[in-house]
Amino acid sequence: EADIYQTPRYLVIGTGKKITLECSQTMGHDKMYWYQQDPGMELHLIHYSYGVNSTEKGDLSSESTVSRIRTEHFPLTLESARPSHTSQYLCASRPTDTDTQYFGPGTRLTVL
Amino acid sequence: DAKTTQPPSMDCAEGRAANLPCNHSTISGNEYVYWYRQIHSQGPQYIIHGLKNNETNEMASLIITEDRKSSTLILPHATLRDTAVYYCIVKDPGTYKYIFGTGTRLKVLA
Repeated sequence: EADIYQTPRYLVIGTGKKITLECSQTMGHDKMYWYQQDPGMELHLIHYSYGVNSTEKGDLSSESTVSRIRTEHFPLTLESARPSHTSQYLCASRPTDTDTQYFGPGTRLTVL
Repeated sequence: DAKTTQPPSMDCAEGRAANLPCNHSTISGNEYVYWYRQIHSQGPQYIIHGLKNNETNEMASLIITEDRKSSTLILPHATLRDTAVYYCIVKDPGTYKYIFGTGTRLKVLA
């Protein structure tokens, strides 16, 4: 069973607020991912981390930023939330020696 | 870019085998095919993966054609709890990117 956690699970906020979505894993995985998924749609990679202090943007343009100061922690930040940011955000991790990803439960964000 | 194609939806009677096809004609020689499923918009759950040989685990079987251009995920005795969206995934060769398509929405009927 994979140990990857996301908080909050649900968040409703107003436009212009700064928010941070938390993602933590206790498996010691080097690789971590953030995906964005609208209802009924496919997952889109928005951020990727190879390891501590190493992050890259994914295919889908996103106004969010990420940091990777510790192996187990990969938070995603929106400096000024907008209604267009309303979506589900999924965090995943994997060890270096396999391509199998383990996903967290997701954060469903609604920006009013 | 690597890409997969799956039927948008399928129905299966409870207790019967569910066979979910996937085309991945652009897959490169050393990339695996992965299958995940997503229930009620929770985080996707890993099911199985394979390179060229057929694979089986406690959840499912994976049949990969000899030319590796397609595969089929088999749930041998589908239950109502198997109702989910099933994704066939390949990695973009030489990158860290996993290509998630729109998946197949499997509905298991009582």
